[in-house]
This record gives sequence, C-alpha cells and structure tokens, in this order.
Amino acid sequence: GDSVTQMEGPVTLSEEAFLTINCTYTATGYPSLFWYVQYPGEGLQLLLKATKADDKGSNKGFEATYRKETTSFHLEKGSVQVSDSAVYFCALSDQGGSEKLVFGKGTKLTVNP
Amino acid sequence: GAVVSQHPSWVICKSGTSVKIECRSLDFQATTMFWYRQFPKQSLMLMATSNEGSKATYEQGVEKDKFLINHASLTLSTLTVTSAHPEDSSFYICGWGGRETQYFGPGTRLLVL
Repeated sequence: GDSVTQMEGPVTLSEEAFLTINCTYTATGYPSLFWYVQYPGEGLQLLLKATKADDKGSNKGFEATYRKETTSFHLEKGSVQVSDSAVYFCALSDQGGSEKLVFGKGTKLTVNP
Repeated sequence: GAVVSQHPSWVICKSGTSVKIECRSLDFQATTMFWYRQFPKQSLMLMATSNEGSKATYEQGVEKDKFLINHASLTLSTLTVTSAHPEDSSFYICGWGGRETQYFGPGTRLLVL
C-alpha cells in the first residue's frame, strides 16, 4: 500500500538557519503530496501541496518540489523563525487531498532565538 | 476560516467505560469527514471515513463495534469508544474534507486506566 517516510526528529535549529525535512513516498499511482503543520494546541493545517511531478508548492517561505524520479517531497526553508516551531507532517493522497490521506510520522521542529 | 473544534481535549476514564468525542466544524460545512488515531511517535492512522447520512467505512483492523461513529450533520460528528481498555489510549483527531484539503481538529487525548 501507499506509505510516507519522513526524517526522524526532533530537529533543533537556531533562528535564521536553513531547514530541510526529508520526505519520500511509495504509491501505486500518481498521488498528490502535502505538507501539514501542527502548532502547539492546534489542529493540523495545510502548509503547501503539489499535485503533479515537478510542481513546487510554497507558502510562508517554505518550499517543496514533487520529484517523481526520486519519489521525494522534501520541505525546505531558507531562514527559520522561532514561530516556525511546530510538528511537520508529510502526506499523500491518491484522490486529491480532500479524501483519504496517508501521513508520515511527523517531525518536531524547535527553533531557538 | 475552516475552524474545527474537538471536545474534550483530554479525557481519563476507567477501563470498561465508554467515551464520546465530539468534532464540530465551526464555520463551514462538509459531507465527508475522517477519524484518525495517533500513537506516540507514530503517524496518523486513518480509522474510518464517514459521509453525512451514511454508515461509516472503517479501515482494515478497526473494530466498528468498538469505535462508533455518528455523523449527525454537515458540521457535527462523534466518535464513541465503547468499553474502553488501556490499549485504546491514544490521540484521536478528526478531519473534515474540503475542496483541496482536509481541515483538522486539535485532537483529543484519551487515557484509559
């Protein structure tokens, strides 16, 4: 079945550092790919998405590119802020995102001032 | 927009009792919703998919008689854990299906003693 593997956390960075959180997937079809973020005490929120190969999703300074050849969707940000501290989940959906999602285990990011 | 509430946020109960978790979408309506379960350091696992007015579809390995889902309206769904046991202790998250993404509640942590 479909699966998502993302790097183990926790990740601790200083403010303005570069962030990469790796995510790879296994899927039988051509899934849509997502990054969700969960801030403390809140529900998961969509951070960005990509629906086909070579698409780049971006939001709030975060980017991820859908790489079909490496089945990857790594999350990057050039300069993190303390407010980016959260848990990040990579996910895929064979049905566009409003339907069934398969999640990675989540990566907790802590950004120190 | 797209605010989802879950109640309670925390519940502790004795083994053998039943616990009801409520999930409400506060500012939108959706036909389809999802219940997830998350173990520590594990990904969110889909338990069931529910369409308003229909019986829920449970994922393989999820006992439908143990985890009762009532999808009462386009804004309210409940998950009842019947005859709870310590192995049911977990973090339960609901999600409502939007056009391009799901909107998630903040989660309910259940501890069964």
